Amino acid sequence: AQSVTQLDSQVPVFEEAPVELRCNYSSSVSVYLFWYVQYPNQGLQLLLKYLSGSTLVKGINGFEAEFNKSQTSFHLRKPSVHISDTAEYFCAVSDLMDSSYKLIFGSGTRLLVRP
Amino acid sequence: DAGITQSPRHKVTETGTPVTLRCHQTENHRYMYWYRQDPGHGLRLIHYSYGVKDTDKGEVSDGYSVSRSKTEDFLLTLESATSSQTSVYFCAISAGTSGPPGDGEQFFGPGTRLTVL
Repeated sequence: AQSVTQLDSQVPVFEEAPVELRCNYSSSVSVYLFWYVQYPNQGLQLLLKYLSGSTLVKGINGFEAEFNKSQTSFHLRKPSVHISDTAEYFCAVSDLMDSSYKLIFGSGTRLLVRP
Repeated sequence: DAGITQSPRHKVTETGTPVTLRCHQTENHRYMYWYRQDPGHGLRLIHYSYGVKDTDKGEVSDGYSVSRSKTEDFLLTLESATSSQTSVYFCAISAGTSGPPGDGEQFFGPGTRLTVL
């Protein structure tokens, strides 16, 4: 069964510093990959997604992620974070062979941006 | 924003009582999902629906049932609530590959915070 690992439960970083949030998934079969963001007391919002093509995907709010098939990773990056980026970030995978399109989520990474 | 509403948004109930959460969509999407969110676990799938009256179990379905009598509504029922079901519940919808954006992307509702005392 598919699984997703987010290696860091919490990442503190100073404002304007770069950040990388790590995500690894378990299987190398064809997948769609997603990053969602959850601001306090809100639902999940899509940041970006990888379906096919270029391995570097750009999303909203200056975030980008790189798909690495050989390492089964999909790490999220931002070159310069803002206080407003403080939120929880979830990596998710959808197996293309699964007709239910259900998502398997990682446990989340809480990004804390400090002034 | 995708038209997804959840009701109630907050509920406190007692152990052993039945609870029903409602998810309503205005997007006419085929697929609907119920997840629960708990610290350290991310979101875990409870049940999902792939059409009217068509449902299936997810990863953590024990103690939950669902019904979908109309495209727009997906109900989650806790027949006899337990303290372990205290959680935040999210509904999500997807058009699968048959509708935009055509990649199975899911859109999430605002969530329901359920506390079982």
